[in-house]
Amino acid sequence: EAQVTQNPRYLITVTGKKLTVTCSQNMNHEYMSWYRQDPGLGLRQIYYSMNVEVTDKGDVPEGYKVSRKEKRNFPLILESPSPNQTSLYFCASSLTRGGHEQFFGPGTRLTVL
Amino acid sequence: QQQVKQSPQSLIVQKGGISIINCAYENTAFDYFPWYQQFPGKGPALLIAIRPDVSEKKEGRFTISFNKSAKQFSLHIMDSQPGDSATYFCAATSSGRGSTLGRLYFGRGTQLTVWP
Repeated sequence: EAQVTQNPRYLITVTGKKLTVTCSQNMNHEYMSWYRQDPGLGLRQIYYSMNVEVTDKGDVPEGYKVSRKEKRNFPLILESPSPNQTSLYFCASSLTRGGHEQFFGPGTRLTVL
Repeated sequence: QQQVKQSPQSLIVQKGGISIINCAYENTAFDYFPWYQQFPGKGPALLIAIRPDVSEKKEGRFTISFNKSAKQFSLHIMDSQPGDSATYFCAATSSGRGSTLGRLYFGRGTQLTVWP
């Protein structure tokens, strides 16, 4: 089944404790992206990647890191999480480099205490 | 600066009625305008999309109307059903080179409730 998977789905952590949210797609898509969703703010793009080893900042990259070492994986790293990073995170992928027709994962609910 | 403005924030429609959600943008480099549908506890899913070379696109009960001169586009849901109750997001992106390539800008969402 074609899909985007994220792990973990739920995570509660404490301020400053490094964490990684994994994202994997099995559709051989060129493009991958991370978003955060907050009430009243919609979805905001954190980072995206149009190709392996190529990443670019979105609207809200501060406090996040990403890497794209292989086509199928695009992990999101929070080196020192803070409470304002409590949010619902979505990974997405697209066949086209420009990110049209994005397929979204099921989301990761992160709480930073 | 919000790249895509969406209204209304919430919408309540009777079953069988027409739901209309509006979006506006400023950046004339945008050339692809998708709509996403999100059910509670799920990720957004692409519903329908339009390019500015056409003024309307229809897929089943869902229609996008596009006004290039006004830089506005809207989603119409005909014969709205309780199963359409979800959050809808409009978005915009560019296919061309430059700083907008790869960037997908979302509106803030419209929570649609269809009463039976």
